[in-house]
Amino acid sequence: EVQLVQSGAEVKKAGESLKISCETSGFRFSSNWIGWVRQVPGKGLEWMGLIYPGDSDIRYSPSFQGQVTISADKSISTVYLQWSSLKASDTAIYYCATHWWNDESRYFDYWGQGTLLTVSS
Amino acid sequence: QSALTQPPSASETPGQRVTISCSGSSSNIGTYTVNWYQQLPGTAPKLLIYNNFQRPSGVPDRFSGSKSGTSASLAISGLQSGDEADYYCAAWDDSLNGPVFGGGTKLTVL
Repeated sequence: EVQLVQSGAEVKKAGESLKISCETSGFRFSSNWIGWVRQVPGKGLEWMGLIYPGDSDIRYSPSFQGQVTISADKSISTVYLQWSSLKASDTAIYYCATHWWNDESRYFDYWGQGTLLTVSS
Repeated sequence: QSALTQPPSASETPGQRVTISCSGSSSNIGTYTVNWYQQLPGTAPKLLIYNNFQRPSGVPDRFSGSKSGTSASLAISGLQSGDEADYYCAAWDDSLNGPVFGGGTKLTVL
C-alpha cells in the first residue's frame, strides 16, 4: 500500500527557517517523481516543485524557484521542503504527492495528509 | 490567476447530474491529458479522473471525464450528499514546465 506521511503542523515566526518532511512507503522511492503542492487556506492548489530521488533531478515552478528548496533522502524514502527565511505569506497547507510521469500521462496519484504551516509576522 | 479556468461554484439536487468545465490553452489541455481531483472538506485532494477519462480503482462510474480541444469536463451523475467537495482540473503545461491546476469548483448538493 502506497503511503505518504507528512510531518506535523508548524507555527513559526517570520524570518525563521523550517524543513518539513514526507515519509513514503509502498513503492520504489528512487523510481518515482514526488511533488509538493501548496494550498493557501480557502484557496486553490498550486504546484511548487517535483523531485526524482533516483538522480535528484528537481524541477521548480517559476513562482517558487529560489523561495524553497526540495530535497530527498533515499536511505529513508523521505522528501523534504525547506525555507531559509519564512514569510507570513507562506502560511498554507503543504501536500506531498507521488507524480506519475511518462510521455502520455502525468498526474499526482497518491497524496500525503498535508502539513499546516502558520507563520506569524 | 490560474492557467486553467473553472467555474467557482456548481450546485444540483440529489440524484441529478452536474457538469464542471475546465478551459485551458494549447500549452496545456490542448497538448496533454487532463486530470481531476476531488477534495472533500478538511481532507487532502484525491485523484478522481486521469488521462481525460480513466478512473482509479475505487472511483464509482458515476464520475466521468471528457476532453475536446483545449477544454475538458467532469460529469457526476446520481449526485449524493457525499459528493459535496471542491473539484480541481489539472494538466501539464509547457510554459510552466510542470503541472497547472484550475482554480477549483465548489460543488453543493442542494
